Amino acid sequence: NAGVTQTPKFRILKIGQSMTLQCTQDMNHNYMYWYRQDPGMGLKLIYYSVGAGITDKGEVPNGYNVSRSTTEDFPLRLELAAPSQTSVYFCASDWEGVSYNEQFFGPGTRLTVL
Amino acid sequence: DAKTTQPNSMESNEEEPVHLPCNHSTISGTDYIHWYRQLPSQGPEYVIHGLTSNVNNRMASLAIAEDRKSSTLILHRATLRDAAVYYCILRKYETSGSRLTFGEGTQLTVNP
Repeated sequence: NAGVTQTPKFRILKIGQSMTLQCTQDMNHNYMYWYRQDPGMGLKLIYYSVGAGITDKGEVPNGYNVSRSTTEDFPLRLELAAPSQTSVYFCASDWEGVSYNEQFFGPGTRLTVL
Repeated sequence: DAKTTQPNSMESNEEEPVHLPCNHSTISGTDYIHWYRQLPSQGPEYVIHGLTSNVNNRMASLAIAEDRKSSTLILHRATLRDAAVYYCILRKYETSGSRLTFGEGTQLTVNP
């Protein structure tokens, strides 16, 4: 199992550009999550999905969009990038979002908006 | 959601035990106590979790106070690879849709 994979690893965007961060998991998990992590801080939840076709907002959704057309993939779209979106983005997945299960994280995408 | 309090940083020496404390005085009876760690430039990884009883796995042990208002993650013999940020997280009991809420964690430094 590759687990949770993310692409790209690094990206520099100009203000106002758009991009999609890719996330794929091969564990057949129904729940998937996007987090962002600013320097020296813990992770904050952006969006999550409980299955194909179902998504919901987390703590910091503004400026982002998501879609979930398959169980495996959960892309995160940034429209009109702003310097405040400079961060490290982590995708994660787990089974059912159950409190006694572990969540699996990808290696992250480091995004800089200039 | 119930909050956790952890020291900002701790230091230990290689091959010595490490006890990482976490206070969660407002924990509810159905909250699970989870620990994750984040190595430099990596995503978080699961370490251990428990509800009421102490737990052991290949990575660590989790000691939970009888009143559940605090817990301690124990690394039995620290290695340089254990240098990371350790997060103590309360995960509310749900049959689905239970989220992780990360604080700032404890930065563990391991000295050779």
